[in-house]
Amino acid sequence: EDQVTQSPEALRLQEGESSSLNCSYTVSGLRGLFWYRQDPGKGPEFLFTLYSAGEEKEKERLKATLTKKESFLHITAPKPEDSATYLCAVRTSGSRLTFGEGTQLTVNP
Amino acid sequence: EPEVTQTPSHQVTQMGQEVILRCVPISNHLYFYWYRQILGQKVEFLVSFYNNEISEKSEIFDDQFSVERPDGSNFTLKIRSTKLEDSAMYFCASSPAYDNQPQHFGDGTRLSIL
Repeated sequence: EDQVTQSPEALRLQEGESSSLNCSYTVSGLRGLFWYRQDPGKGPEFLFTLYSAGEEKEKERLKATLTKKESFLHITAPKPEDSATYLCAVRTSGSRLTFGEGTQLTVNP
Repeated sequence: EPEVTQTPSHQVTQMGQEVILRCVPISNHLYFYWYRQILGQKVEFLVSFYNNEISEKSEIFDDQFSVERPDGSNFTLKIRSTKLEDSAMYFCASSPAYDNQPQHFGDGTRLSIL
């Protein structure tokens, strides 16, 4: 059974204070790892797809990296508008995404 | 930017009643999905749909649930004889193809069973 674990559950940062979110996975064969952002009362918003170990993707203040066992979402100099829950999901065989519990990020001004 | 739209945003239903949740996927997408998120829990996969048939379903998606694409734009999830534990946020998603294209989600329907 595919398992995805995200840490920490919650993270509170000051504006400009860089940090990283972790997504550990145990799967039978990774076909893709996906990062989403979810705002309260909204659906997950797609951020990145990573396919193989060593791959990196960047978008504004966010950078996602992938190893054989985990992925990191690095947030550089975050702003209050980066506050959200960040979800990690994996895809192995089939079409389903298996999600982690998410990390709730709060960035204080 | 194209988006997935879901209606209604909130549905309140008596236990035992049938409910239909509606979704309009992104127009050129071919794969459609339903997920649910019980309050405080993970987003969970329910079903995927392609070429007018179910391509994959989870253990949650039992005989109580059904999906349909009644026309060229809508994709529906029907829950027969709702239970209290069906209360959740239901998300529709779509993707252009099967091969690891990202799934794009709507903002969900909050289903409350009384």
